Amino acid sequence: ELKVEQNPLFLSMQEGKNYTIYCNYSTTSDRLYWYRQDPGKSLESLFVLLSNGAVKQEGRLMASLDTKARLSTLHITAAVHDLSATYFCAANAGGTSYGKLTFGQGTILTVHP
Amino acid sequence: DGGITQSPKYLFRKEGQNVTLSCEQNLNHDAMYWYRQDPGQGLRLIYYSQIVNDFQKGDIAEGYSVSREKKESFPLTVTSAQKNPTAFYLCASSISGEGAGELFFGEGSRLTVL
Repeated sequence: ELKVEQNPLFLSMQEGKNYTIYCNYSTTSDRLYWYRQDPGKSLESLFVLLSNGAVKQEGRLMASLDTKARLSTLHITAAVHDLSATYFCAANAGGTSYGKLTFGQGTILTVHP
Repeated sequence: DGGITQSPKYLFRKEGQNVTLSCEQNLNHDAMYWYRQDPGQGLRLIYYSQIVNDFQKGDIAEGYSVSREKKESFPLTVTSAQKNPTAFYLCASSISGEGAGELFFGEGSRLTVL
């Protein structure tokens, strides 16, 4: 059974600082996804990581995937208040279950002045 | 604009009642999904459908039912057998096959049992 764990679960950052959210998964998965959720809202796709060594960047966020270590990271550079949200990683078991995702618990990020 | 529409946004139910949550998409996606989110937790898969007239149970299907009579629509019924139905319900869709994992979500339906 695929399990996905994120840490930290809560992250309070000062504006301008850097930090990394970690996402570990328990069994082989050939792709990893990151989503953002604002309070009371739905989820928005941030990154799709399809292979070992994949790195994607959008603004102050950069995601990477190491399938050998079963680890993905979401790095935040020079945080700003607008990045405050809950971030989820999700992995799939591959094969015919491509669309069946297992989500991590989410990391609640708060950026303050 | 293409997207996923869920309704209602808020729903109150008395114990013992069945309720149906609507999900419609105009993205021409083959696959559709229902997830449940409880406060402070990740999403858990209830049901999914990869093609019309076919669907599979997810991790927490007990007390729920679905149908997929049209490509655009994937309604979820929360039955009285669901012991703890108060939650935020999210419908999603994706293309099928290798690109299927990137999900596009609706705005969600918040169900409260009184």
